[in-house]
Amino acid sequence: DAGVIQSPRHEVTEMGQEVTLRCKPISGHDYLFWYRQTMMRGLELLIYFNNNVPIDDSGMPEDRFSAKMPNASFSTLKIQPSEPRDSAVYFCASSSPSVSNYGYTFGSGTRLTVV
Amino acid sequence: QQQVKQSPQSLIVQKGGISIINCAYENTAFDYFPWYQQFPGKGPALLIAIRPDVSEKKEGRFTISFNKSAKQFSLHIMDSQPGDSATYFCAASKGDSSYKLIFGSGTRLLVRP
Repeated sequence: DAGVIQSPRHEVTEMGQEVTLRCKPISGHDYLFWYRQTMMRGLELLIYFNNNVPIDDSGMPEDRFSAKMPNASFSTLKIQPSEPRDSAVYFCASSSPSVSNYGYTFGSGTRLTVV
Repeated sequence: QQQVKQSPQSLIVQKGGISIINCAYENTAFDYFPWYQQFPGKGPALLIAIRPDVSEKKEGRFTISFNKSAKQFSLHIMDSQPGDSATYFCAASKGDSSYKLIFGSGTRLLVRP
């Protein structure tokens, strides 16, 4: 398996633009997580899905952020409109209690810079 | 109650020495405690994990010590190597009931040759 695949690896955008981050989880994993990493706040859980259904979105900063998982092999995190304070590394992770014994597999992340 | 407090923020160890990173939690419902290792430009990777029914777990040079009464757990890296230089995160979750990981703030480890 190629692991969790995120795209793009780097994104530079102007303030006010829409940004879409993409994630392909490991096949067979039924949990998908979106985390944001910054120096100031560390790793923050934004939202997670179980069997494509959002379970907990309490970490989503505000209405400008939205996430979808239309099927078991694809998820998106969208920011509209983007702001400089959204600059961070965004990680997607997948897992399955029955497969990986609660261990998460993280992607390599998307480094977002909003100028 | 959802926080996991990690210390130190950074650590410098000589090659061959022991690296020790500590974490503390408040929520007694937590029942799964993993450690993740992150290299620059990469996502965190699971290193080792423990559940509260044991006080210690060892995998190679990495050992987790768990103190349930004190609500603390720590990572020990024996015979530290320059290749161990990375950022280490502790985490906790409520396992079956929640399954979302709450991460500590991270420790940047540098092992000098």
